[in-house]
Amino acid sequence: GQNIDQPTEMTATEGAIVQINCTYQTSGFNGLFWYQQHAGEAPTFLSYNVLDGLEEKGRFSSFLSRSKGYSYLLLKELQMKDSASYLCAVMDSNYQLIWGAGTKLIIKP
Amino acid sequence: DGGITQSPKYLFRKEGQNVTLSCEQNLNHDAMYWYRQDPGQGLRLIYYSQIVNDFQKGDIAEGYSVSREKKESFPLTVTSAQKNPTAFYLCASSMGAGHTDTQYFGPGTRLTVL
Repeated sequence: GQNIDQPTEMTATEGAIVQINCTYQTSGFNGLFWYQQHAGEAPTFLSYNVLDGLEEKGRFSSFLSRSKGYSYLLLKELQMKDSASYLCAVMDSNYQLIWGAGTKLIIKP
Repeated sequence: DGGITQSPKYLFRKEGQNVTLSCEQNLNHDAMYWYRQDPGQGLRLIYYSQIVNDFQKGDIAEGYSVSREKKESFPLTVTSAQKNPTAFYLCASSMGAGHTDTQYFGPGTRLTVL
């Protein structure tokens, strides 16, 4: 079966750095997406990786290793507004998104 | 302003009633999707549509129905056959299915069955 694993919850301190991991086993691979979702709101797109390596966008970076079935989202200079759930999703061979359950990130002052 | 709208934001239904959730987009996207989100689980695909007048079942289509009569609109009906309909429903769209296009989401409708 297809499976996306990410930690259920993480806690970090304002101003610090946090890394959220995602491992996957899917039928084919057409890219990996990261979304941010604040409580009760819609997911918003953060990043897309299809080739191995690091993609940087301001305070957020996303890394992919296809051979290991592994990705991480790195958040730097954490702000209170970064408190949210972070969803990892993989596009399979049928171009369908397979979603992880999300990682709830709690930021403490 | 381009975007995806869903209405209503909150919806309450009595058991045995059908209810229709609205989804409209003005992004000129060809593909539209309906997902269901439950606590502690990933988003699950209910139905998707790649083009007007055509749609396909997702992983959990039982108890749901959709139509795609216009490019901009993709309403979802939750029927009385859906055993556990209380959930957060998200509509999304992308430029085209069958491609690695980013999906963009509406604000969601929270359905509660009383």
